[in-house]
Amino acid sequence: AQSVTQPDIHITVSEGASLELRCNYSYGATPYLFWYVQSPGQGLQLLLKYFSGDTLVQGIKGFEAEFKRSQSSFNLRKPSVHWSDAAEYFCAVRDTGGFKTIFGAGTRLFVKA
Amino acid sequence: NAGVTQTPKFRVLKTGQSMTLLCAQDMNHEYMYWYRQDPGMGLRLIHYSVGEGTTAKGEVPDGYNVSRLKKQNFLLGLESAAPSQTSVYFCASSSRTGSSGANVLTFGAGSRLTVL
Repeated sequence: AQSVTQPDIHITVSEGASLELRCNYSYGATPYLFWYVQSPGQGLQLLLKYFSGDTLVQGIKGFEAEFKRSQSSFNLRKPSVHWSDAAEYFCAVRDTGGFKTIFGAGTRLFVKA
Repeated sequence: NAGVTQTPKFRVLKTGQSMTLLCAQDMNHEYMYWYRQDPGMGLRLIHYSVGEGTTAKGEVPDGYNVSRLKKQNFLLGLESAAPSQTSVYFCASSSRTGSSGANVLTFGAGSRLTVL
């Protein structure tokens, strides 16, 4: 069965510092991979997605993620974090022929001044 | 653009009461989903629908029923609410697999349900 693991429940970074959020997935074939962000009291918004092709994908708000098949990983990065990036981030996987998207448990990002 | 609209946004129930959450989307999406979000557990799929008149079970379907009588609406029902169903519920929709923008979920703002 598909699964998504986000090893870090929460992360604290200083404003202006770089960020990397980890995501590992379990799926036999090439999956569709996503990162969503949830601000407090809001629904989830798509940050970026990987379907095929270039393994480094760019998203909104200056985020990027790299798909590494050999490590079954899809880590999210940002070179310089802003206070407004404080939110919860979810990695998700969807099988290429199916209908369901499976989410990780989420990583809450705190940004300190 | 309204996107995905959920009603109500908040509801408090007593154990054993019933209620229905309504999800409406105006993007002509074929697929619709109900998730629940609990601390430390991410989003778990309750039920989903791949078209009008069809529904299927997700990861945690027990205690819930759904209906999709119209393409734009997806209803989630709790027949006899239990405290374990206290959660935030999210509806989402997406276009059909293979079409442009496929597989990306558009979410509603959520419905917070408390069962006492």
